[in-house]
Amino acid sequence: GNSVTQMEGPVTLSEEAFLTINCTYTATGYPSLFWYVQYPGEGLQLLLKATKADDKGSNKGFEATYRKETTSFHLEKGSVQVSDSAVYFCALRNSGNTPLVFGKGTRLSVIA
Amino acid sequence: DAGVIQSPRHEVTEMGQEVTLRCKPISGHNSLFWYRQTMMRGLELLIYFNNNVPIDDSGMPEDRFSAKMPNASFSTLKIQPSEPRDSAVYFCASSLNEGEGGYTFGSGTRLTVV
Repeated sequence: GNSVTQMEGPVTLSEEAFLTINCTYTATGYPSLFWYVQYPGEGLQLLLKATKADDKGSNKGFEATYRKETTSFHLEKGSVQVSDSAVYFCALRNSGNTPLVFGKGTRLSVIA
Repeated sequence: DAGVIQSPRHEVTEMGQEVTLRCKPISGHNSLFWYRQTMMRGLELLIYFNNNVPIDDSGMPEDRFSAKMPNASFSTLKIQPSEPRDSAVYFCASSLNEGEGGYTFGSGTRLTVV
């Protein structure tokens, strides 16, 4: 079956630190991969995506590369800000009309 | 587009009462999803529709929960009777049918059953 495993939080970093949130997946076929972000009191927002192997998704300074050989899609940012404090969800979606499969989410807190 | 619109934003009700949550998906999106989010269980898929037809409702916790999509621009999630353990944030999301696409989520309805 399809599943997503992401590192457990919470993750606490100082402002301007480097961020990595690990995500690995198990899937049949060739899924598309996503990172969503949920700010306090809001719904999930699509942060970035990659649809095939070796693609790099990027947005707002965040990046993730679709690594088929390691079945991973780790989220990185070179210098985090307090405003990046949120919960981050890794997800996959196989082709067709199948629903997204989400990881459990990783809470990030950035302190000034 | 105004995005996915959910109403109400907050609902407080007494145990035993009927609760109806509403969702308007993005125009042109063919798939609609209802999720529930709690601290204990995280994000759970309750049910989803393709072209207004329910495809998988295996995530609906009990017969007290029901969902309808009478047309492409409206869906409801009903809980009758409500119980305190139903307290959660309920999200609606919509997407195009194509598998490469992500979802657009609404802002959620925070339900408190007392």
